[in-house]
Amino acid sequence: LAKTTQPISMDSYEGQEVNITCSHNNIATNDYITWYQQFPSQGPRFIIQGYKTKVTNEVASLFIPADRKSSTLSLPRVSLSDTAVYYCLVRGSNDYKLSFGAGTTVTVRA
Amino acid sequence: DSGVTQTPKHLITATGQRVTLRCSPRSGDLSVYWYQQSLDQGLQFLIQYYNGEERAKGNILERFSAQQFPDLHSELNLSSLELGDSALYFCASSVEAGQGARSEQFFGPGTRLTVL
Repeated sequence: LAKTTQPISMDSYEGQEVNITCSHNNIATNDYITWYQQFPSQGPRFIIQGYKTKVTNEVASLFIPADRKSSTLSLPRVSLSDTAVYYCLVRGSNDYKLSFGAGTTVTVRA
Repeated sequence: DSGVTQTPKHLITATGQRVTLRCSPRSGDLSVYWYQQSLDQGLQFLIQYYNGEERAKGNILERFSAQQFPDLHSELNLSSLELGDSALYFCASSVEAGQGARSEQFFGPGTRLTVL
């Protein structure tokens, strides 16, 4: 099982950029790193996925260094509606078990 | 709406009982995943099926079992229930198996299980 570590919480203000880093050793060499957003009492929702270097979509960017032992989710210009829990998801290299990080609670204030 | 349906939405039962949670994946998705989320806890991976076959197993208790049927829907069976089994159980689906391939998972709304 891949071990993942994320900060427990982060506070920000509207319009700022939020960067969340997930450390994940022992991940499958051929698998993607995925980030999800979850609101209370709802299922997680896909944000972005990448394998290496940088990926950008309409809501976020994902930075993955060459060793793939960590990844950083970047949320540009956050708004109040971005207040949620953010999870990274990886797969273990030996057992292919999926492992969610403990989640980072992002609170955006006006 | 993710396209993944789960029934029932809520389930209240007593310790020692057995329950079955049902999941219907998105049309075209062959892979189904089950997760447990206890109060104020993160998501724990239980098990994954791909086209009817078990693909990966997480820390699923022996009292729990699952299967994926030919029509691709899946059921999670929880038996000899304990108070600690109270949690939200999520099902997710994806097009591919996920190993070495892009595998965005679409999550259902979850089944909230309360064991009294």
